[in-house]
Amino acid sequence: QQQVKQSPQSLIVQKGGISIINCAYENTAFDYFPWYQQFPGKGPALLIAIRPDVSEKKEGRFTISFNKSAKQFSLHIMDSQPGDSATYFCAASIVGGSNYKLTFGKGTLLTVNP
Amino acid sequence: DAGVIQSPRHEVTEMGQEVTLRCKPISGHNSLFWYRQTMMRGLELLIYFNNNVPIDDSGMPEDRFSAKMPNASFSTLKIQPSEPRDSAVYFCASRGGLSEQYFGPGTRLTVT
Repeated sequence: QQQVKQSPQSLIVQKGGISIINCAYENTAFDYFPWYQQFPGKGPALLIAIRPDVSEKKEGRFTISFNKSAKQFSLHIMDSQPGDSATYFCAASIVGGSNYKLTFGKGTLLTVNP
Repeated sequence: DAGVIQSPRHEVTEMGQEVTLRCKPISGHNSLFWYRQTMMRGLELLIYFNNNVPIDDSGMPEDRFSAKMPNASFSTLKIQPSEPRDSAVYFCASRGGLSEQYFGPGTRLTVT
């Protein structure tokens, strides 16, 4: 059972454009939604994360939009740059308790053309 | 801090051989996670430890896989016997008190 569905699988954007990646989750108990960025040959690294008490979080060119009623969240990359080319993973988890773990989406391969 | 350290970075072995992957978490982190990444299945959580105790091993594919954490600074993931379908990149991640997991560089395993 895939609890976090991510789309699209791949995305090509021109430099300066906006990249948008979407995720949907099923478990209403999830209360932490991070996005990870992975470059080839490297491990995933936390990019930005949001809790469900806010609808949007912005850090530089990266913004998470969160829709609790629709059980969806998305990553927006403004002014996309070739250096942003990487695989992006959304994830979800339940913070606290004794059984903490991240459930990841399948990933989106982003290519930003110069 | 050196971050999460994994060894080896690359491993090529023949089917049937034993494979041992190693991980040193970030000092002070009390949770450790083992993941497997493939093109087909994405990132899969295999097992995680809290304070050196295995909490959830439901992701371990079968009895050929085993993991240990003898102390707070070292963990191993062992595959015995290995099979070609085990070929993947294996990541170790650790977590301190907050939600963020820090991933290591991974071990690329190829079983021929």
